[in-house]
Amino acid sequence: EVQVLESGGGLVQPGGSLRLSCAASGFTFSDYAMSWVRQAPGKGLEWVSGISPSGASTYYGDSVKGRFTISRDNSKNTLDVQMDSLKADDTAVYYCAKGMTRHWGAADYWGQGTLVTVSS
Amino acid sequence: DIQMTQSPSSLAASVGDRVTITCRASQSISSYLNWYQQKPGKVPKILIYAASTLQSGVPSRFSGSGSGTHFTLTITSLQPEDFGTYYCQQSYSAPWTFGQGTKVEIK
Repeated sequence: EVQVLESGGGLVQPGGSLRLSCAASGFTFSDYAMSWVRQAPGKGLEWVSGISPSGASTYYGDSVKGRFTISRDNSKNTLDVQMDSLKADDTAVYYCAKGMTRHWGAADYWGQGTLVTVSS
Repeated sequence: DIQMTQSPSSLAASVGDRVTITCRASQSISSYLNWYQQKPGKVPKILIYAASTLQSGVPSRFSGSGSGTHFTLTITSLQPEDFGTYYCQQSYSAPWTFGQGTKVEIK
């Protein structure tokens, strides 16, 4: 059974940093692109960042470019995102999502999400 | 970045109705268009990928069409469990942007 499980959310002050992790199981992790998608309270989905199966290519949304860094460890089946210079607008539930073959950006499995709150 | 625009933003329809949601891309995305359903408090679920390919396990009343910049999601006979918010997403070019969502309510 495919599973992705996020961790690392919490309360952080503006300007602070947080690292989210996603543990994947039930599929060959190194074969698939992965993404982080977020959803602010009461708002729609916003794609945040993605990474190729090998980790050689990374992608970012404009709102997080230069502040967030995505990475993966294919030996441990884990996906991370380092979030720096956090702003109140970054407050959201962050989902880890598995990409599909030949459709890297399409997400067929999602975690339950982890809440990040940026507030003083 | 490619902008995705959905219409309408919300709709209310009766059980059995045919429902159509439109998604437009700011530039051609070929058939790299995906549709998701999200119910309140739940994780998004992919319904259709590559514009018209039904994800395994999704009821056949859902269908997708289109290519280039204009796409539609159709529910041929709306069921009570189809309430929620529907999002389109382009996976042609990163950042893989979502539309703003269409909220579907059952009359």
